[in-house]
Amino acid sequence: DTEVTQTPKHLVMGMTNKKSLKCEQHMGHRAMYWYKQKAKKPPELMFVYSYEKLSINESVPSRFSPECPNSSLLNLHLHALQPEDSALYLCASRQDNEQFFGPGTRLTVL
Amino acid sequence: AQSVSQHNHHVILSEAASLELGCNYSYGGTVNLFWYVQYPGQHLQLLLKYFSGDPLVKGIKGFEAEFIKSKFSFNLRKPSVQWSDTAEYFCAAASGGYNKLIFGAGTRLAVHP
Repeated sequence: DTEVTQTPKHLVMGMTNKKSLKCEQHMGHRAMYWYKQKAKKPPELMFVYSYEKLSINESVPSRFSPECPNSSLLNLHLHALQPEDSALYLCASRQDNEQFFGPGTRLTVL
Repeated sequence: AQSVSQHNHHVILSEAASLELGCNYSYGGTVNLFWYVQYPGQHLQLLLKYFSGDPLVKGIKGFEAEFIKSKFSFNLRKPSVQWSDTAEYFCAAASGGYNKLIFGAGTRLAVHP
């Protein structure tokens, strides 16, 4: 298995909902990343996990809560989001110096 | 501060024209450089990468890039573009133990038949 998978592909949620995004890789990579990409903008780093520990939080609001239950799985828990949080959320895993991206979850917050 | 800048935000070409997209980076120390492509509605794909060695790197789909250290540049080239090359192109740089990727603003390429 040489890919990063993300579920769901699309998610629509209200501002009071709680939802989670899921990312999975079975390539044995020990570093995983969450990025946020707004329309017509480049991806921006949110979090980095290394060996299942949170290593970098790029000052992301607490309504985004990452979790790394094991070396293959990365979650992003969402609660009380704002409409401006609507974006494509990308997950990536890293081998050596190269990051492999998943297809993303397109999130719409109403 | 570390940064990546792309010179052109929108490029329009006819098929068979040559392409060069500019990228400059601002980093201290060792840096790894990448070009990613994002086709409409699809996810990011790696076109090519430079870590060290030969400054001219060849990637997929006929793309190549040249690392010029003295100019802090990593420009992307393709001798003859096709309509299927229509996409957004991102230059990115990474350094440090956690390999934080910083992307340029992107260049939107439209190729007309």
